[in-house]
Amino acid sequence: SQTIHQWPATLVQPVGSPLSLECTVEGTSNPNLYWYRQAAGRGLQLLFYSVGIGQISSEVPQNLSASRPQDRQFILSSKKLLLSDSGFYLCAWSRQHTEAFFGQGTRLTVV
Amino acid sequence: AQSVTQLDSHVSVSEGTPVLLRCNYSSSYSPSLFWYVQHPNKGLQLLLKYTSAATLVKGINGFEAEFKKSETSFHLTKPSAHMSDAAEYFCVVSDPDNFNKFYFGSGTKLNVKP
Repeated sequence: SQTIHQWPATLVQPVGSPLSLECTVEGTSNPNLYWYRQAAGRGLQLLFYSVGIGQISSEVPQNLSASRPQDRQFILSSKKLLLSDSGFYLCAWSRQHTEAFFGQGTRLTVV
Repeated sequence: AQSVTQLDSHVSVSEGTPVLLRCNYSSSYSPSLFWYVQHPNKGLQLLLKYTSAATLVKGINGFEAEFKKSETSFHLTKPSAHMSDAAEYFCVVSDPDNFNKFYFGSGTKLNVKP
């Protein structure tokens, strides 16, 4: 069966510090991968998606970037965090025409 | 373009009474639609999905939803609410011809009173 791992679960970082959130998927190959952000009281906003190694598409301009160095690894990064980067970040995977499967999320607080 | 509107940001019901969470979608073709549930600080769990088969879809925990193309709706229902149903619910439409991207509604928080 397929599983998705996302870490860390919680993170408190100072403004201006770098960020690296990691997500890995097991039990499938060549998945579509996604990073979503959920701000307080709002729905989920798609940040990035990837259909293959090294292929990243950004949905919204922002202070974040994503990379896919391996088929089942998806990384969300920032060089310098802003207060507005605080939120709940979710990684997800899917196959074509299937539902999305989500990780447990990372609660990021920028202070 | 695909989009989803959840008509209620908060719904409050008493335990044992029916639940209705409303969702309308906009899609340029026959959509795939989903309902997810999220408990606080947790990931999202799939409740049910519609992918152009039967219009009445049954999901987990007694939830079901009916796809009504004429009304562009996909409302979520449950005959009898349980305390454990208290959570946030998201209606989602996917775009399988565009990298299978998923578009979320703004969510409905369900409160269940004893």
